[in-house]
Amino acid sequence: DTAVSQTPKYLVTQMGNDKSIKCEQNLGHDTMYWYKQDSKKFLKIMFSYNNKELIINETVPNRFSPKSPDKAHLNLHINSLELGDSAVYFCASSPLATREQYFGPGTRLTVT
Amino acid sequence: AQSVAQPEDQVNVAEGNPLTVKCTYSVSGNPYLFWYVQYPNRGLQFLLKYITGDNLVKGSYGFEAEFNKSQTSFHLKKPSALVSDSALYFCAVDFGNEKLTFGTGTRLTIIP
Repeated sequence: DTAVSQTPKYLVTQMGNDKSIKCEQNLGHDTMYWYKQDSKKFLKIMFSYNNKELIINETVPNRFSPKSPDKAHLNLHINSLELGDSAVYFCASSPLATREQYFGPGTRLTVT
Repeated sequence: AQSVAQPEDQVNVAEGNPLTVKCTYSVSGNPYLFWYVQYPNRGLQFLLKYITGDNLVKGSYGFEAEFNKSQTSFHLKKPSALVSDSALYFCAVDFGNEKLTFGTGTRLTIIP
């Protein structure tokens, strides 16, 4: 009965490829997020969506494109992958009223 | 600039002793303050938050945190540490822009 799920859990790919990570939440939350955690465990927000609408877009290269087909899903598509994209990507969701964020298990992306 | 500081990368505490993990933030006012815990190869789990009211907030697993407005601090505490508390702890602040700014994390190790 997973609250926030991500697929895949691990993703190994070569430079220049295009890949997607999927996120789904069954909590009924309006807001969803993508975060990047680097090798030093530093966490930085990339995007947030509220009810399918883009709210936050940090200074992320435009090779990264989020897509929210509905309130329960926020997918992340990455074009032309680079070595520096290797990281753990976390999806999260929250109800606007409490602002507590619930995180998925993460997707470890390795670009070779 | 809005920032969150966790001055200690590593905190070691003997089992049964009280523990404190420190967090300060840059901007005065009325931010929302959070603590999250990350176990190895897992997503972040919400521990507790402060929005308004009593300066001492209680959260999951026996943790509590004390909000100090004059010192812009929100230190995490527990009266008696358990070995299972060993993990990476993140302080996070919502400065009113509906996104979380995370500290750099503190690795807590409880020594049996």
